[in-house]
Parts: sequence; structure tokens; C-alpha cells
Amino acid sequence: EAEVAQSPRYKITEKSQAVAFWCDPISGHATLYWYRQILGQGPELLVQFQDESVVDDSQLPKDRFSAERLKGVDSTLKIQPAELGDSAMYLCASSLGLAGPYEQYFGPGTRLTVT
Amino acid sequence: DQQVKQNSPSLSVQEGRISILNCDYTNSMFDYFLWYKKYPAEGPTFLISISSIKDKNEDGRFTVFLNKSAKHLSLHIVPSQPGDSAVYFCAASEGEGGSEKLVFGKGTKLTVNP
Repeated sequence: EAEVAQSPRYKITEKSQAVAFWCDPISGHATLYWYRQILGQGPELLVQFQDESVVDDSQLPKDRFSAERLKGVDSTLKIQPAELGDSAMYLCASSLGLAGPYEQYFGPGTRLTVT
Repeated sequence: DQQVKQNSPSLSVQEGRISILNCDYTNSMFDYFLWYKKYPAEGPTFLISISSIKDKNEDGRFTVFLNKSAKHLSLHIVPSQPGDSAVYFCAASEGEGGSEKLVFGKGTKLTVNP
């Protein structure tokens, strides 16, 4: 069964350092999403791509976060510099496209701890 | 301001009985509603969805009910099984399907006791 792949699964970093997460969506899925889930909360959308284009990044803290999906396939989310409040689970999801209804399939997530 | 609210952080039921998980929303533009299940150390898994033009959708042991006038939906699991123990998230989108931006509730942790 096809799955969304994410790496690393766990990351511990010191504040002010740079950190990057990688996501490989299900093959053929045009839409890719990055969510952040703080402990005790539901996932919150950070950025949404349709192929290589950003559809929605209104909740992405652009002073320190960046995301790219250069070839419209896999994607990287970067934080520089990391802050203590960035400690969270970062989830990647993908779906077939925007003209739904297409469910979103989630990867296992990257657990980030900033010390 | 939370647009999707799950007011019960946890729920405990006996195996074989019905589990009812509730969700309220405030945004009248929401058109599509979904339930996701999440096990520890895994990403959320899609469970069931419902469009705003319907008031009920059923899939095996899982049924979702939508009351648009009350801005309320619920997930019924009958009969409940120990393997159903997980965190359940209610989510909503303004688009016609689940591929649009999802707004999630905080989740309800369901425990099904043998």
C-alpha cells in the first residue's frame, strides 16, 4: 500500500540552529500539505502545494520557515533559526488534487524537540 | 478562535457498546467534514467523511451524522472494539472535498475497554 514518507522521524536541535524535514508524497498525488501539530492540539496547516506552486501559506511564519517542492514531487520544510516554541509534530500529507473530494493521506510525522 | 471544537478530551466505553464522539463548528462556510483516527507515533488516518448536502453517511461500524442548523456533527461507532482505541479528530473544509485546507479540532481520546 502506498504511503507518505517522512524523514527524519525524530529530531532534537538547539534553539537558533537550522533544521529541515523531508516528505515524499504518494506517487501521482499533485497536492502536498505540511501541518504542524502542537501537543494537545489538532494539526494546523502551514503550507499547501499544488504541483510545485504554493496554494496557501497564510499560516507559515515566513520570517523563519520556508518550504519548497521544486519538481512537484518531494518537498522540504526548513526552520531557521529554530525557537523553543517550534517543538511539535510536523506532518506531511498528500492528495490526488484540488478538485475533490480527495482525502488527504498523512505520513508518520517528524517529532521536533528544540532545547 | 477555534472554528472546530471537540469539547470532550476523552471518552471511555465498554467493548461492544456504542461510542459517540461529538464535534461543533462555527464557520458556516464549511462544506465538507471528515473524521480522522490517530494512533500513537503514526499520522492521522482518514476514517469517514460527509458532505454538507447530506445528514448521514455510513461505512460499516462507523456512521457520521451532520446537523447543519446546529453546526454539529457526531461519529457513532457500533459496536466498539478495543482496536478502536485512538485519538479521533474532527476536521472541516470550505471546499467541496477533503483536498482543501482542513481545519481540525483538538481531538478526543477514545478508550474501549475489553
